[in-house]
Amino acid sequence: KAGVTQTPRYLIKTRGQQVTLSCSPISGHRSVSWYQQTPGQGLQFLFEYFSETQRNKGNFPGRFSGRQFSNSRSEMNVSTLELGDSALYLCASSPGQGARDGYTFGSGTRLTVV
Amino acid sequence: QKEVEQNSGPLSVPEGAIASLNCTYSDRGSQSFFWYRQYSGKSPELIMSIYSNGDKEDGRFTAQLNKASQYVSLLIRDSQPSDSATYLCAVPDTGFQKLVFGTGTRLLVSP
Repeated sequence: KAGVTQTPRYLIKTRGQQVTLSCSPISGHRSVSWYQQTPGQGLQFLFEYFSETQRNKGNFPGRFSGRQFSNSRSEMNVSTLELGDSALYLCASSPGQGARDGYTFGSGTRLTVV
Repeated sequence: QKEVEQNSGPLSVPEGAIASLNCTYSDRGSQSFFWYRQYSGKSPELIMSIYSNGDKEDGRFTAQLNKASQYVSLLIRDSQPSDSATYLCAVPDTGFQKLVFGTGTRLLVSP
């Protein structure tokens, strides 16, 4: 059974650009969550999607957005990149509605903003 | 907002010893608890989940839950250098729509 797949694995962008990250959950998992991980802040929740609906959003500026498609695949977008957006972005999927049964994480996308 | 607290460490133990990692949480109504292991440069990996008071064992790992005292522990028996990693405690938020993570405890197992 394939795990959670995130693409790309690494990304280098310039300040002011925008970026789109992709996540394919485990087959049958309908809940997809996104986290940002930095050395100083740890794992910070970005948003959670279930059946194409954003059910929960973390405390991030509007430059961070996402969506989920009918096949449960999800994308997140960051516009007008800032140096502070450099981080490991993690996607996680779960079989049920949200976090009750824990998550399985993808390998992450390491974004570097220069 | 639920809070999950962990000592950041590092916790240093010799090979073969028992490593004890602790986590406290703020919401007395929490029902499920998770331990993740994260190697440097990698993503978190779920290693244990526990839902009831008491102990749950899986190989060299034992999770212990005490809801009255609001803490959950992870014991690693016969620690190996390959266990050196950051261990993250996580608790679902109200509504189970997200996991709230502690900052993690870094474990170092020396040969």
